[in-house]
Amino acid sequence: AQKVTQAQTEISVVEKEDVTLDCVYETRDTTYYLFWYKQPPSGELVFLIRRNSFDEQNEISGRYSWNFQKSTSSFNFTITASQVVDSAVYFCALLGDTGRRALTFGSGTRLQVQP
Amino acid sequence: DSGVTQTPKHLITATGQRVTLRCSPRSGDLSVYWYQQSLDQGLQFLIQYYNGEERAKGNILERFSAQQFPDLHSELNLSSLELGDSALYFCASSVDELVGTDTQYFGPGTRLTVL
Repeated sequence: AQKVTQAQTEISVVEKEDVTLDCVYETRDTTYYLFWYKQPPSGELVFLIRRNSFDEQNEISGRYSWNFQKSTSSFNFTITASQVVDSAVYFCALLGDTGRRALTFGSGTRLQVQP
Repeated sequence: DSGVTQTPKHLITATGQRVTLRCSPRSGDLSVYWYQQSLDQGLQFLIQYYNGEERAKGNILERFSAQQFPDLHSELNLSSLELGDSALYFCASSVDELVGTDTQYFGPGTRLTVL
């Protein structure tokens, strides 16, 4: 069985602070894929990033960066210099390479960035 | 804009009724997935279709059914509705579920309220 844990239910920061959202996963698949999605107050789910299990290189995209550590089964997401527009619920998700092709989502972390 | 469209955006109905949710995938995508987002269950996979055929089932109730048409749009039918069916229903699409590196892009969702 696959499982994604986002232990932080809600985080509140002040604008320009850096914030890290934690994601821990469990899977028996040797090949798997990890995702982050953003759900702003308007409700849609926006794809942010996909990481393959065989590529442990960290990635940076503007103010966003992702730290994938296979040894600790974690795929953490950092927002640098947060902005009010970053306020949303962020979901980490896992897709295994065997079985059904469905995403297993974490419970989400609600990020509130105060001006 | 992900390119996945869903209609209607909102749906309010009564218990015992039947509704149909519609999804059009991104151009070129062959796979369609349905997910349900509720407060108590989080984001849960319901069912997947690939090029008109059912490929995988998740936690989908027997009162729910889906199909994918030759033009690749999909419909999710919910019948004998109960209060607990109130949720945000998402459709997602991807290029080819056999590829193994697909990213699922989500539509804006249909918010169903059962009164």
